[in-house]
Amino acid sequence: AQSVTQPDIHITVSEGASLELRCNYSYGATPYLFWYVQSPGQGLQLLLKYFSGDTLVQGIKGFEAEFKRSQSSFNLRKPSVHWSDAAEYFCAEGPGGGYNKLIFGAGTRLAVHP
Amino acid sequence: ETGVTQSPTHLIKTRGQQVTLRCSSQSGHNTVSWYQQALGQGPQFIFQYYREEENGRGNFPPRFSGLQFPNYSSELNVNALELDDSALYLCASSLEGAGGNEQFFGPGTRLTVL
Repeated sequence: AQSVTQPDIHITVSEGASLELRCNYSYGATPYLFWYVQSPGQGLQLLLKYFSGDTLVQGIKGFEAEFKRSQSSFNLRKPSVHWSDAAEYFCAEGPGGGYNKLIFGAGTRLAVHP
Repeated sequence: ETGVTQSPTHLIKTRGQQVTLRCSSQSGHNTVSWYQQALGQGPQFIFQYYREEENGRGNFPPRFSGLQFPNYSSELNVNALELDDSALYLCASSLEGAGGNEQFFGPGTRLTVL
């Protein structure tokens, strides 16, 4: 079965430190991959997506992600974390093509220390 | 432009009861998807409606059903509630079948089944 794995349930970083959140996907020669952020009381917000092309994708809020087919990974990075980045982050794959019928990982909760 | 809204925000039901959750799509969107997010988990795809017809379903039993109305608002109905149905229910709307078009999530309805 198709699955998305986020190995880290909870990560804590200091404000200003760099961040990398890991994601591994299991499906598809041409995966459609996404990162979403969820803050308390808010819906999921799309940070970035990868459909094809350049394997390093830029998103909103200073986030980027790199698609590595050889490792089946799509890790999210940010060079300098802000306190407002504290939230839950979800990696997702769209096996139905594009945004259809997304399969989400279990999420990584990010805490930011001042 | 109004975003995706969901009602109610919170709901408490008892086992065996029925519940209806509502979603108003973003203006101009004709596709809605519903997801269930159990505590500590990522969202799981329930089903999608496109132009008032079901257009794909995840691994959920038939007691989960839906409707989409001509104005593209949507309902999720759950019959014979079980304790495991306690979750955050998210809807997401998009244009034209959610393939290449971003879907936008509502803030969710928190359902508690006692």
